[in-house]
Amino acid sequence: AQSVAQPEDQVNVAEGNPLTVKCTYSVSGNPYLFWYVQYPNRGLQFLLKYITGDNLVKGSYGFEAEFNKSKPSFHLKKPSALVSDSALYFCAVRDINSGNTPLVFGKGTRLSVIA
Amino acid sequence: GAVVSQHPSRVICKSGTSVKIECRSLDFQATTMFWYRQFPKQSLMLMATSNEGSKATYEQGVEKDKFLINHASLTLSTLTVTSAHPEDSSFYICSAPERGGPMNTEAFFGQGTRLTVV
Repeated sequence: AQSVAQPEDQVNVAEGNPLTVKCTYSVSGNPYLFWYVQYPNRGLQFLLKYITGDNLVKGSYGFEAEFNKSKPSFHLKKPSALVSDSALYFCAVRDINSGNTPLVFGKGTRLSVIA
Repeated sequence: GAVVSQHPSRVICKSGTSVKIECRSLDFQATTMFWYRQFPKQSLMLMATSNEGSKATYEQGVEKDKFLINHASLTLSTLTVTSAHPEDSSFYICSAPERGGPMNTEAFFGQGTRLTVV
C-alpha cells in the first residue's frame, strides 16, 4: 500500500525567508514523488517530480525538493518565499511498479507567506 | 504541453436535479481518467477511474448509481451527479495521465468544478 503524510496543516513564513513544506511517504517498492500546488477554486498545478537520478529536484517557480530514501521524505523547499507562493501544497506518490494508477495524495499543507 | 479542460468551473443546482461535469484532454488521448472529490481544507479523494470503452471502476464507498461516469471517447469523460443533495456540494477534479507517455509522467489536472446544491 502507498501512503503520504504531510505533518503540517499550515506553514507560515515571512516573505524573503526560506520555506520548507514537509512530506514523508511509504511505498512497497521504489517511489515516484510529486509536488502540486493548488490556488483557491482551481485545479492542481504540477511543480516538480522525482523519478530517478539526483536527489535534489528543481521545479517551477524556484521550488526544489530533496528525495531522501532513508527517512523516507520528499520535502519541498524554496530559498526565498514570495507572497504569491501562498497556496495549498500537495505531495503525492506512486509506486514505480503500480502501473497506470492514480497518485496517492497527502492531505495538503497550507502555506501562508506574510509580507 | 498536455492540457486537461474541465467544464463547468462552477455550478449551482437545486436539490434533486442532476449535474454533468465534463473533462476533456485537449491535445492527447486519455484511455484513463481519474475523478476526485475534495472537501474544504482536505485532500483529494479518488472517487473512480474512468476507462474509455468500458465501465468505470469506483472506489469503496462511492455510489456508482449516484455518480455516473461515461468515457465514450479517448478525449472525453463525464461525471454526472444524479439527484444531487446539499451533501454532494464539493469541489470535483478530473485528471488524466498522457497516453503513450512514460509510466512516471505527472498527472494533468482539470481546473476543477465547484458544485453547490441548494
